[in-house]
Amino acid sequence: GESVGLHLPTLSVQEGDNSIINCAYSNSASDYFIWYKQESGKGPQFIIDIRSNMDKRQGQRVTVLLNKTVKHLSLQIAATQPGDSAVYFCADRLNNAGNMLTFGGGTRLMVKP
Amino acid sequence: NAGVTQTPKFQVLKTGQSMTLQCAQDMNHNSMYWYRQDPGMGLRLIYYSASEGTTDKGEVPNGYNVSRLNKREFSLRLESAAPSQTSVYFCASSRYVDGYTFGSGTRLTVV
Repeated sequence: GESVGLHLPTLSVQEGDNSIINCAYSNSASDYFIWYKQESGKGPQFIIDIRSNMDKRQGQRVTVLLNKTVKHLSLQIAATQPGDSAVYFCADRLNNAGNMLTFGGGTRLMVKP
Repeated sequence: NAGVTQTPKFQVLKTGQSMTLQCAQDMNHNSMYWYRQDPGMGLRLIYYSASEGTTDKGEVPNGYNVSRLNKREFSLRLESAAPSQTSVYFCASSRYVDGYTFGSGTRLTVV
């Protein structure tokens, strides 16, 4: 049978290379954005977030870039490792929507050894 | 470990049967959520509870009901299961928007 994520866009990278995963959002009133990582058989886990008053935020090996002009969000993973293989989701929150997030469809990252 | 606990992990139902998915969190979070995840469609919000005593519909509430039993527990009920409800269901909780914690999911198949 089908498994979750079978029809997701897939990005395949070589171990050690940098990965860039992209996400487009539709509402210019979104004020907060999050990236989640979901490994097979598990729930999504928080990676990094960014508020709309910022263009860039860095974490450990990950960077999120926000381009509000074209409503585009990207997640950059440096020196990609096999453990980074997973499905990655972006999510956004409309301004003044409290704790409510809207999730994107996800991208599957496959890391080749 | 603190977190969100979902039961059961797997379930097979016949069309028309009912069942309740259980969710409990021990992080003292105010908000709780139920999502479904279908192939290629990401997470879609079924119902949420912003605080104890309140529940609201999300994007895809039809065919489901919820109960916020207390601050810790938020259950999802399928009264008459349909094959279209075959999915993976995730419960989550949060205090703030950046604090979503997800359970490990319930894989439901309706035949």
